[in-house]
Amino acid sequence: DTGVSQDPRHKITKRGQNVTFRCDPISEHNRLYWYRQTLGQGPEFLTYFQNEAQLEKSRLLSDRFSAERPKGSFSTLEIQRTEQGDSAMYLCASSLASSGYNEQFFGPGTRLTVL
Amino acid sequence: QKEVEQDPGPLSVPEGAIVSLNCTYSNSAFQYFMWYRQYSRKGPELLMYTYSSGNKEDGRFTAQVDKSSKYISLFIRDSQPSDSATYLCAPLTRGGGSYIPTFGRGTSLIVHP
Repeated sequence: DTGVSQDPRHKITKRGQNVTFRCDPISEHNRLYWYRQTLGQGPEFLTYFQNEAQLEKSRLLSDRFSAERPKGSFSTLEIQRTEQGDSAMYLCASSLASSGYNEQFFGPGTRLTVL
Repeated sequence: QKEVEQDPGPLSVPEGAIVSLNCTYSNSAFQYFMWYRQYSRKGPELLMYTYSSGNKEDGRFTAQVDKSSKYISLFIRDSQPSDSATYLCAPLTRGGGSYIPTFGRGTSLIVHP
């Protein structure tokens, strides 16, 4: 257990529904990242926050995806009008900003299945 | 062509074997090179990393980077069944003031007793 928690662990939804996932980072970590991982692939970066500011977004992040980190602690990732192609594992990671490389600690992920 | 290429395997070896896992990459700007291990139904965990070219050893694991050929390797000595997992190489790029990993697709390793 890395100390990063995600909820729910599994979500099954029908196409066209909205879903929201939550990530709770390690408490002292000020950076939070979201990734998407499909079967047989490595995680793909979606977006990243430092405190409450969203500083980087991948072009993979379509308009149907939105992420927030309102108080610089937990974060939510919402997918509107889900499509079957959104089925994937959604991973959250957190880190502490420092000079040089800052290790990211990953949560267990939320597995989304869109029927 | 993807930025990071990695053979998905699976690679099956007997316990005690030396394992060699490899990646190639295309972006010459990469400076940090990470190896993550991911067990089934878990998030990735950082195994080790190197900065620029060279070798780095940590117990049974050795990471090697050759920037001239854009080739990354991870060697595991005396492999154990508990090493069975997917190994992801991930060079880092700068983004928004942080370092963002660009993951390969991972190589599945099976170490059988």
